[in-house]
Order: sequence, then C-alpha cells, then structure tokens
Amino acid sequence: KQEVTQIPAALSVPEGENLVLNCSFTDSAIYNLQWFRQDPGKGLTSLLLIQSSQREQTSGRLNASLDKSSGRSTLYIAASQPGDSATYLCAVRPRSNDYKLSFGAGTTVTVRA
Amino acid sequence: EAGVAQSPRYKIIEKRQSVAFWCNPISGHATLYWYQQILGQGPKLLIQFQNNGVVDDSQLPKDRFSAERLKGVDSTLKIQPAKLEDSAVYLCASSSTSGIRTPQYFGPGTRLTVL
Repeated sequence: KQEVTQIPAALSVPEGENLVLNCSFTDSAIYNLQWFRQDPGKGLTSLLLIQSSQREQTSGRLNASLDKSSGRSTLYIAASQPGDSATYLCAVRPRSNDYKLSFGAGTTVTVRA
Repeated sequence: EAGVAQSPRYKIIEKRQSVAFWCNPISGHATLYWYQQILGQGPKLLIQFQNNGVVDDSQLPKDRFSAERLKGVDSTLKIQPAKLEDSAVYLCASSSTSGIRTPQYFGPGTRLTVL
C-alpha cells in the first residue's frame, strides 16, 4: 500500500525567504504526482502535476521536482509572500490496479510579513 | 469556467441523525469523486463515478454512507445515521475523464460536525 509522508507538518518563514516542501512516497511505481494548495475552509487547488516521465515542472514562482527512484518530490516556492500561507498537499497516483490518489497529510505554511 | 460547486458549506448535526451533501461538477466532466478529509489528514477517496456508474466504492462505509449520480451530472452523498467519527470535510472533485493522467478539480468542501 502506498504511503505518502510530508515533513514538516508545519513551517513558518519570514516574507521573501524561499520555501522548500518535501514529499516522500514508499512505492516508486507511480503514474504521476500532484501538488495541491488548500486554504482554510476551501477545497484543493491544483498547483503542479508531474508525470512519471518528467523530472520537474515549473509555474511562475513554483517549481516541483520528482525523483521516482528515491520516492521523493520537492516543491520550491521562490521569494515567499504572505499570500502563500496555506496547507500544501502532495498526492501520488500509483501504477497498479488500485490507482486511487494517495495523499500526504500536508505541510501548513505561514509566511510572516 | 465555473468550478465544482458544493452545498451546504457547513453542517452541524447530532449523532444518529442523517445528512446529505450535494455536488455539481464542472460542466462536461464525466468523472466525479467524493473524498473525506479528517482534520490533520489528507483526503481519502470514498467513491468515484464515471457518468452515472460507480467505478470504485471500496472505501465507502456502505452500512451508513450512500451516494448517487442519477443523471450523470450532479451527485449527492448521504450519511445515515451519522457517527462522531464522521466529522470531517467532504470534498467533491471532478475530472474530464477517468484517465490517470487527468488532473482533478476540487470544490470548496462541506465541513460536517457531528455532536
């Protein structure tokens, strides 16, 4: 069974600092990995989707890398802003008959002005 | 393009009562998902529909939870009777197809509190 872990559970940084969020998964046989953002009282917003054949994806200040062999993905957010404060979740889609998305518990980020 | 709509946004009930949630997916999206997100955890898939048929309900507690998508568009999720451990956010998501490479789009969720 795929296990997805996100450490740390919470992170607080001053505005302008770069953010590094980690996601690890136990089974490297995946189709893709997705990073989501969740604001309090709201649903999930998809940030980046990395297919298994890709090493990274970029969107604006966000960059996500994928290392399947080590079972890791990292989300980088450059020059953080208070508006980046949210919970960030990663989810993997396993390459198996049980193809359901497996989510991590998330990292809650606070960017201090 | 309108996003995934859910209602109500919040619901507080007593244990053993019944409750229903409604979801309207993005127009044209054939696949609809219901997730349960307990505080401090990631979402867990309860049920997946492809049009009006159930694709996966292996993690749905069928003794108390039911869901339907009669016309292949909007969907309802019902809990009867509710237990304390059902307190969670119930998220609906949709995707254009059930393809594994297709991203899912989530609604704002319904926060359920069972007292």
